[in-house]
Amino acid sequence: KQEVTQIPAALSVPEGENLVLNCSFTDSAIYNLQWFRQDPGKGLTSLLLIQSSQREQTSGRLNASLDKSSGRSTLYIAASQPGDSATYLCAVISNNNDMRFGAGTRLTVKP
Amino acid sequence: DAGITQSPRYKITETGRQVTLMCHQTWSHSYMFWYRQDLGHGLRLIYYSAAADITDKGEVPDGYVVSRSKTENFPLTLESATRSQTSVYFCASRGQELKLFFGSGTQLSVL
Repeated sequence: KQEVTQIPAALSVPEGENLVLNCSFTDSAIYNLQWFRQDPGKGLTSLLLIQSSQREQTSGRLNASLDKSSGRSTLYIAASQPGDSATYLCAVISNNNDMRFGAGTRLTVKP
Repeated sequence: DAGITQSPRYKITETGRQVTLMCHQTWSHSYMFWYRQDLGHGLRLIYYSAAADITDKGEVPDGYVVSRSKTENFPLTLESATRSQTSVYFCASRGQELKLFFGSGTQLSVL
């Protein structure tokens, strides 16, 4: 059974700092990995989707990488802003169609 | 508008009452999902559907019923609401590349 872990559970950084969020998974037989952002009281917004054949995806200040062999994905946020404060979740779809979410990392960017 | 919509946004009900949460998507995605999100438990899959008239249980299906007579609609019914079903409910659909799209959620309180 696939297990997805996100560490740390919470992170606080000053504005302008570059930061990395981590997502680990136990079974490397994945189809894709998706990063989401969730603001308090809101739904999940898709940020980046990485297919298993890809190494990374970029969107603006966000860069997500995938290393299947080590069971890791990272979400890099450059020049963080207070508006980046939210909970970030990763979701892994395995080759058997099973879908698992991490518990999320709650990010606070202080002005 | 294209997308995935949930209704109602907020719902307060009493124990023992039947409640139906609605989910509608405009993309004709085959797969649709219902999740509940609770502090300390993250996202948990209640039911999913691979196509119209095909549904299957997820991780926490007890006390819930789903139907899918049309591809675009996937209602979730609580047959006899209990306080433990107080939660935020999210509907999702899955499109090309197995990318997930979430609705804005329904916040349900059972008194």
